[in-house]
Amino acid sequence: AQSVSQHNHHVILSEAASLELGCNYSYGGTVNLFWYVQYPGQHLQLLLKYFSGDPLVKGIKGFEAEFIKSKFSFNLRKPSVQWSDTAEYFCAVNAGRDDKIIFGKGTRLHILP
Amino acid sequence: DTAVSQTPKYLVTQMGNDKSIKCEQNLGHDTMYWYKQDSKKFLKIMFSYNNKELIINETVPNRFSPKSPDKAHLNLHINSLELGDSAVYFCASSPLRTRATEAFFGQGTRLTVV
Repeated sequence: AQSVSQHNHHVILSEAASLELGCNYSYGGTVNLFWYVQYPGQHLQLLLKYFSGDPLVKGIKGFEAEFIKSKFSFNLRKPSVQWSDTAEYFCAVNAGRDDKIIFGKGTRLHILP
Repeated sequence: DTAVSQTPKYLVTQMGNDKSIKCEQNLGHDTMYWYKQDSKKFLKIMFSYNNKELIINETVPNRFSPKSPDKAHLNLHINSLELGDSAVYFCASSPLRTRATEAFFGQGTRLTVV
């Protein structure tokens, strides 16, 4: 069965620091990969997605993620975070011919002003 | 225009009651989902419907019954509510049945059972 692991449950950074959130998935075949963000009290919004092609994916708000197939990873990065990036971040995967998108447990990011 | 809309946004009710949450999407998508987000922010899929047909039922208690009158609507009815049902319920939709592409989420319904 598909699963998604996010290693960092709670990350605290100062503004302008660089960010990397880890995500690993378990599935040996073709995958679609996603990062979603949930700002406090709001719904989930798509940050970026990978379906095929260039493994370095650029998303909104300066975020990017790199798909490394050999490591089953899809880590999220941002070179310089802002206070407004404070939110919950979810990695998600859709694998094979499955209809469902499975989410990781989320990483709570807190940016200190 | 809200792409995926849920009502109500907040729902407070007593144990044992029956309640419904409605969801509508105006994106023309074929697939709709219900997800449950618990107090620890863990998102778990409950149901998936494609064109009014149930595709996924993730071992959810049968007190939860989804209903899809047409492909733009997926409602969630919950019987005999329990304290453990308190959570935020998100409706979502996706354009394709196989190899689900990104899901578009509603604003969520915060259900509190007292």
